[in-house]
Amino acid sequence: EADIYQTPRYLVIGTGKKITLECSQTMGHDKMYWYQQDPGMELHLIHYSYGVNSTEKGDLSSESTVSRIRTEHFPLTLESARPSHTSQYLCASSEKLRDRYEQYFGPGTRLTVT
Amino acid sequence: GQNIDQPTEMTATEGAIVQINCTYQTSGFNGLFWYQQHAGEAPTFLSYNVLDGLEEKGRFSSFLSRSKGYSYLLLKELQMKDSASYLCAVSHTGGFKTIFGAGTRLFVKA
Repeated sequence: EADIYQTPRYLVIGTGKKITLECSQTMGHDKMYWYQQDPGMELHLIHYSYGVNSTEKGDLSSESTVSRIRTEHFPLTLESARPSHTSQYLCASSEKLRDRYEQYFGPGTRLTVT
Repeated sequence: GQNIDQPTEMTATEGAIVQINCTYQTSGFNGLFWYQQHAGEAPTFLSYNVLDGLEEKGRFSSFLSRSKGYSYLLLKELQMKDSASYLCAVSHTGGFKTIFGAGTRLFVKA
């Protein structure tokens, strides 16, 4: 069973607040990812990391930022939350298994901005 | 560009067989994943195909045709717990970035 954790699981916050979504994994994986998913829609990659001190923006433009100071920790920060940020945020990590990078997902954070 | 198409919803009967199709157009193809996602939960890995052909794993099988940009997931002996979304996802060359389709929501009825 994968060991990847996200907190909080649910968050309701007002417009303009700064928030940080936490993601930690205990598997020692180098690659980590943040996805955004609206109900019934596809996962959109918003950030990823190759390893410590390495982060890249994903395919979907996002106003969030990430950091990777430690292998196990990949927090996502929104400096000023807006209602358009309301969504589910999924963190994942991966390792190379033979011919593939299999991704393990955390339980997600469901964010509502009022 | 990159595009992954799969049906939005399907309904099937408990004990039956269902096939969920996926077509894709992408550059730098490395392999194709299928993930299962129950409502409100995170996706979990089902299968990965890198070569053409059928891979069987218990009640689930996955097929890939690279030349046609086509895959399907076959679920046999359907159970109520199989009601979930099934995500087709393409792994890019280099491997560690994955592009997900919107998913097919499967409803299994008694």
